[in-house]
Amino acid sequence: DGGITQSPKYLFRKEGQNVTLSCEQNLNHDAMYWYRQDPGQGLRLIYYSQIVNDFQKGDIAEGYSVSREKKESFPLTVTSAQKNPTAFYLCASSNPGQSNYGYTFGSGTRLTVV
Amino acid sequence: KQEVTQIPAALSVPEGENLVLNCSFTDSAIYNLQWFRQDPGKGLTSLLLIQSSQREQTSGRLNASLDKSSGRSTLYIAASQPGDSATYLCAVPTDSWGKLQFGAGTQVVVTP
Repeated sequence: DGGITQSPKYLFRKEGQNVTLSCEQNLNHDAMYWYRQDPGQGLRLIYYSQIVNDFQKGDIAEGYSVSREKKESFPLTVTSAQKNPTAFYLCASSNPGQSNYGYTFGSGTRLTVV
Repeated sequence: KQEVTQIPAALSVPEGENLVLNCSFTDSAIYNLQWFRQDPGKGLTSLLLIQSSQREQTSGRLNASLDKSSGRSTLYIAASQPGDSATYLCAVPTDSWGKLQFGAGTQVVVTP
């Protein structure tokens, strides 16, 4: 079945540590996105990528970095510069170039600072 | 800037009652509108996608309408069941790149 796989499901980060969240899709979608979800604040866009080797900052990119070396993969690194990283992170993909495109989301990674 | 609002923020109904969830958006020049369901601690599941040229979309007990001129979409869930308990989110792309603007969601509880 086609879909998006996020791993790990739960992740714990120590102060000052960088961690990487994995996102893989087999839907052959061109675009991939990372969102952050906090209680009572809804979903906010961190980074997005339309094509391989290209990505753009979203609304809350500070303290995060991404890469897009393969069409199927869009990993997110939460760096030590992100002061409040505890949140639920969701990866998504779509094909904006198609007339009937929609979004597909992964099952999420819950990151906690310990 | 596109703003998306969902009212009410929370809703509790007895089993069997019909659910009506509202979504409003400020910029009517949308490509499409998508409704999602989110269970606690889980990712988002797509329910319905309405293209800008469509007035409504149906899937089983779910029906979503779209009125671009008034900036509104409504999700109807017929004959609600306890399994319908979840948070429902609507979202619209803000540009041709596909970035989504989400509403804050409506938390639904269906009591047996």
